[in-house]
Amino acid sequence: QKEVEQDPGPLSVPEGAIVSLNCTYSNSAFQYFMWYRQYSRKGPELLMYTYSSGNKEDGRFTAQVDKSSKYISLFIRDSQPSDSATYLCAMSGTASKLTFGTGTRLQVTL
Amino acid sequence: DTAVSQTPKYLVTQMGNDKSIKCEQNLGHDTMYWYKQDSKKFLKIMFSYNNKELIINETVPNRFSPKSPDKAHLNLHINSLELGDSAVYFCASSQLSNRGPNTGELFFGEGSRLTVL
Repeated sequence: QKEVEQDPGPLSVPEGAIVSLNCTYSNSAFQYFMWYRQYSRKGPELLMYTYSSGNKEDGRFTAQVDKSSKYISLFIRDSQPSDSATYLCAMSGTASKLTFGTGTRLQVTL
Repeated sequence: DTAVSQTPKYLVTQMGNDKSIKCEQNLGHDTMYWYKQDSKKFLKIMFSYNNKELIINETVPNRFSPKSPDKAHLNLHINSLELGDSAVYFCASSQLSNRGPNTGELFFGEGSRLTVL
């Protein structure tokens, strides 16, 4: 069993839809949780960061962490075609080593 | 001005050859990494250097040897290339701090796509 599980998709939604992306993990030592976005042929870039449990909102993006269930989510409101990318969750116990999920490929259609 | 730059972007080579990928960051970060991303987009850490010292060395074949001449550069040399080495290799950097929680933010290069024939 992988330390971090993420549905690879692809996930296809119409423009304007609310998108929910999720990861589960098994290592209870994880306390830093991140979402990276990776466009095709580019490197991943940090989208959201959360420390321990709770919610964090940034514009159309909301990250949620539920440590009791070992479950994290990223919600995208009013999705746009420019949101089409692969979304990777990442987490760590110490910030020097991140463990990534396999990524979910999202396609937002017009 | 590119923050993390890697060369070459594309590399096509024959099995058994030796090749190198170079990485440079101009962010002033003290930690650099090599990640391997397979065809299913799974990103796995290979090595990490902090101020030129190796701090993470995952289970990677000995054919892979990182070198960090200074904290702004981290190169990856691969000997006797095999078909399974075909992947995109990403260099990344971050600033680790002993004061308070880290964001864990990694800044990635654009990747070096290696194809072994």
